Amino acid sequence: QPVLTQPPSASASLGASVTLTCTLTSGYSNYKVDWYQQRPGKGPRFVMRVGSGEIVGSRGEGIPDRFSALGSGLNRSLTIKNIQEDDEGDYHCGADHANGNNFVFGGGTKLTVL
Amino acid sequence: QVQLQESGPGVVKPSETLSLTCTVSGGSVSSSSYYWSWIRQSPGKGLEWIGFIFYIGSTNYNPLLKSRVTISVDTSKNQFSLRLSSVTAADTAIYYCARLKGSNWGYTHDFWGQGTLVTVSS
Repeated sequence: QPVLTQPPSASASLGASVTLTCTLTSGYSNYKVDWYQQRPGKGPRFVMRVGSGEIVGSRGEGIPDRFSALGSGLNRSLTIKNIQEDDEGDYHCGADHANGNNFVFGGGTKLTVL
Repeated sequence: QVQLQESGPGVVKPSETLSLTCTVSGGSVSSSSYYWSWIRQSPGKGLEWIGFIFYIGSTNYNPLLKSRVTISVDTSKNQFSLRLSSVTAADTAIYYCARLKGSNWGYTHDFWGQGTLVTVSS
């Protein structure tokens, strides 16, 4: 099964843009990845799914179009434009392995809004 | 909009069984369109999927936890539950329940509860 690697932290200024990354282990370049936002003290919230190109399917409920995603090779990225204070929190990537037989997640990236 | 709420003891003694329940509102656990998962997050670590159940009772578990996990569903109460036996300190975590939705592109956990902290301690 794949391992998903995320940098532990990222930061961006209010109103700026930031790109968060999730890297799949070699051999899994065709995998789709889900992005989740987790605000402090809350459960994760589905943001969107991304494959080897652009977003797959729809954004999660209430996710604004400031959020976008791209995939290339083993990398799956989430870009947030015009960052708001509300965007601060942990961002997790996850993958469905073997069509629902197992699910794996990255270690999460803590996003700080400056 | 569907909402999920975890409930259960916040402290469990080592070697005993952890039991949690997830109550679903705004949706039905009897829907044939969804599965229902448990996921946990240990302090300072990433998310770990525990397993899921379908309304007819079929289950799938994380191979690493399979020998200790039982997930069940009660359609009359619109709830599903987790039992994890022989717990140790390594099972201390925030436990989340979530809805699992299938699509042409695979399976996604599209709605989550807010989580409940379970500490294993004597």
